[in-house]
Amino acid sequence: AQTVTQSQPEMSVQEAETVTLSCTYDTSENNYYLFWYKQPPSRQMILVIRQEAYKQQNATENRFSVNFQKAAKSFSLKISDSQLGDTAMYFCAFMMGGGSNYKLTFGKGTLLTVNP
Amino acid sequence: NAGVMQNPRHLVRRRGQEARLRCSPMKGHSHVYWYRQLPEEGLKFMVYLQKENIIDESGMPKERFSAEFPKEGPSILRIQQVVRGDSAAYFCASSPGRQVNNSPLHFGNGTRLTVT
Repeated sequence: AQTVTQSQPEMSVQEAETVTLSCTYDTSENNYYLFWYKQPPSRQMILVIRQEAYKQQNATENRFSVNFQKAAKSFSLKISDSQLGDTAMYFCAFMMGGGSNYKLTFGKGTLLTVNP
Repeated sequence: NAGVMQNPRHLVRRRGQEARLRCSPMKGHSHVYWYRQLPEEGLKFMVYLQKENIIDESGMPKERFSAEFPKEGPSILRIQQVVRGDSAAYFCASSPGRQVNNSPLHFGNGTRLTVT
């Protein structure tokens, strides 16, 4: 079974600064996908960024980028130029490829607070 | 194009009562997934349904929980004889097809169930 570990229950950052959220996972699969989801106080789950394991290039989406280290099974999220609206719970998630690629396995989350 | 709609947003039930949670997928989506988020935990997969079919219910508790996605109308997650441990946020997600790697899951805002 796959597991996802987020070792930082809470983090804080000053507005406009950069913060990195860590995530490690455990799997014996070679074909899989990794995601970061944001859950603001409204409770909606919002996809932030996605990475295919077969791609060596790290995914980026505007101020959000990942550092994907496949050998180390690490998938950290970097948020640049942090904004107050980035305050939320952030969940790292794993999905297998192939016929079972519909089930997400989530970590326990990191609560990020952006301070003015 | 409305997103995934869940209702009610909040639901309070006394121990022993039944809880019915509804989910209307995005327009054009025929695949529905239910996840449960216990306090201070990530989301955990419960069940995957297509219209009139349960595809994977490996995450569903064996007793008291059931789910359906009829030909017409929303998907329903039903919890009979609720207990305090059922208190959680229940999320629904939908996708147009089974292969979600190219079309990420769209989540609703969840239903927060409180059992008193």
